[in-house]
Parts: sequence; structure tokens; C-alpha cells
Amino acid sequence: ETGVTQTPRHLVMGMTNKKSLKCEQHLGHNAMYWYKQSAKKPLELMFVYSLEERVENNSVPSRFSPECPNSSHLFLHLHTLQPEDSALYLCASSQEFLQGYGYTFGSGTRLTVV
Amino acid sequence: DQQVKQNSPSLSVQEGRISILNCDYTNSMFDYFLWYKKYPAEGPTFLISISSIKDKNEDGRFTVFLNKSAKHLSLHIVPSQPGDSAVYFCAASGQGGGADGLTFGKGTHLIIQP
Repeated sequence: ETGVTQTPRHLVMGMTNKKSLKCEQHLGHNAMYWYKQSAKKPLELMFVYSLEERVENNSVPSRFSPECPNSSHLFLHLHTLQPEDSALYLCASSQEFLQGYGYTFGSGTRLTVV
Repeated sequence: DQQVKQNSPSLSVQEGRISILNCDYTNSMFDYFLWYKKYPAEGPTFLISISSIKDKNEDGRFTVFLNKSAKHLSLHIVPSQPGDSAVYFCAASGQGGGADGLTFGKGTHLIIQP
């Protein structure tokens, strides 16, 4: 497989559940990102990892917990979410931690919290 | 406060004509700008970019223009084709580079009419 792969594509979870989103990239990129896209809002950066180190956490609630075990994999662990957390969660990667490089995005996980 | 604004949620253009998508930004620290295209159920894909040292970048049917004094950029697609129907996101990067991620607009839904 090539590109950025996200699983699952769709997820419905209750507010007391714990689930994880997975992202995998086969591009040899060194930086990975989680973005959130809510209805009628811009994509919002959540977390940035460079060489497996978290370098950015954009004031994201602690009910979202990222994990980057290696440069190819990125997880987003979810627990005790709220209905307003329902959104499209996009993973992206870029070659280096530099400006000007276009990101490669996955297809996203459509999350619904009930 | 939204730093990247796409004020037209949707735009309808006849096939073969020119499509012009607009984007305004407020942060003068942005120095690299990108356009992404997104089909339903897919992640955004990189389309074209421009550095702040340029005022125009062309790639086939796609041209991006940058007016730094007005903090405005536009994407021109000519001629427009049915496959161009998608949501187009404007994004900007600052001198923080990848650490700050990309700041996105809300997107413009382009509809190409046959």
C-alpha cells in the first residue's frame, strides 16, 4: 500500500466508550499530523509529531490522546467523548518538518458520538 | 479569529469557462500558500502552491495568484472540467513551518455545470 491509510473509515461510539483511530503512512515521511474537520468549520490542527516526538498540541482536550510509536504509525485514542466531538478526523504526513511542503492526507475517519 | 478566509461557500461555473476561487488571509507572517482539492469520502489532495516571493504560479490548467499587499490569493482553473467539481481549500503556512501545521479556510464547493 502507498500513501496515508486511516482506519476505520467510519466509527460510531457512545460517550463512555474508548476507541482508537489509526493512521499509517508508507511514504517515508518524518512528520505526521491529526486534523479535525467539523461541519462548516476549517480544518483544525490537533497534534503534530516530528520523528515520533510530539511538537504541537493545539489546546486539545485530554479526552483525545495521541500516540506515535514509530514514524509510520499514528494513533488517536478517544475516551469519554462528547457529541460535539463528532467530526471527520484526518491524518496527514509531510516529508520534513519544513514549511512549503504539501501534506499528504488520508481519507479520514468519520466519527459520530452518540 | 479566522486567519484564512474563503468567503464563498459555493461556486457554480459552466464547463469550459474559467473558475476563480478566492482566499483572503490576515496573518502577515504567512509566507507559503497552498490549495487543496477534496472529493467526498476522500482526504484533501495537494493541488498547487505559491511562495510569498512570487505573485503567480502556473501548473497546467491551474494558476494561483498572490497579492501580498491585499493579503489575497486566487485560484484560476481554465478551462473548467466536470472532474473539477470538488471542495477547494486554501491553506497557509507561516515561518514556524511544519510545527504550526497549515491553517485552512473553510473551503469553497465548486460545481461545474455541463
